[in-house]
Amino acid sequence: NAGVTQTPKFRVLKTGQSMTLLCAQDMNHEYMYWYRQDPGMGLRLIHYSVGEGTTAKGEVPDGYNVSRLKKQNFLLGLESAAPSQTSVYFCASSYLWVYEQYFGPGTRLTVT
Amino acid sequence: EDKVVQSPLSLVVHEGDTVTLNCSYEVTNFRSLLWYKQEKKAPTFLFMLTSSGIEKKSGRLSSILDKKELFSILNITATQTGDSAVYLCAVEAAGNDMRFGAGTRLTVKP
Repeated sequence: NAGVTQTPKFRVLKTGQSMTLLCAQDMNHEYMYWYRQDPGMGLRLIHYSVGEGTTAKGEVPDGYNVSRLKKQNFLLGLESAAPSQTSVYFCASSYLWVYEQYFGPGTRLTVT
Repeated sequence: EDKVVQSPLSLVVHEGDTVTLNCSYEVTNFRSLLWYKQEKKAPTFLFMLTSSGIEKKSGRLSSILDKKELFSILNITATQTGDSAVYLCAVEAAGNDMRFGAGTRLTVKP
């Protein structure tokens, strides 16, 4: 039982490049979330999903896209990376909406 | 605009001390307040509070919510070095809105 895993753990991008972050959970959770964490700002919700095939915008969705084609996976895409997207990205999942979310280990992304 | 404010931003105590962390909020259509502990990487869930005045307790940690005054406190008694972490408060509001505070960094010295 791996819980929530994220790949990659670290990535450096140049401005304008694209990439996809993968989140996988093995707990059969319906709800999945992508957050970003910046110093002094806590966690901010980027996008979330309430079930396979569904996605919705959170507090800071601009510049990101997501997909949930399989229940266990939630992908976060950056089409054209910008330095403002330098952050630590966390994926989480839960059985009920926001209750007892399980977080992945995070991906540290630097955009130069 | 919805906001969640935690205080203090950082706190240094010695083992055995009792600490109180604060979380105040201003959100539209409040649903619940959650506390998380973040050590080195991923946050881990501590409590979810939805009703005023009902204390949630787990070992040396406890938390209570005041929906009239719009705040919650997290108490840690007999602190240990393993309690050193950033404690995050989050508020869930209607419309699937979820806002986190900036966190309180607690350092417990031996």
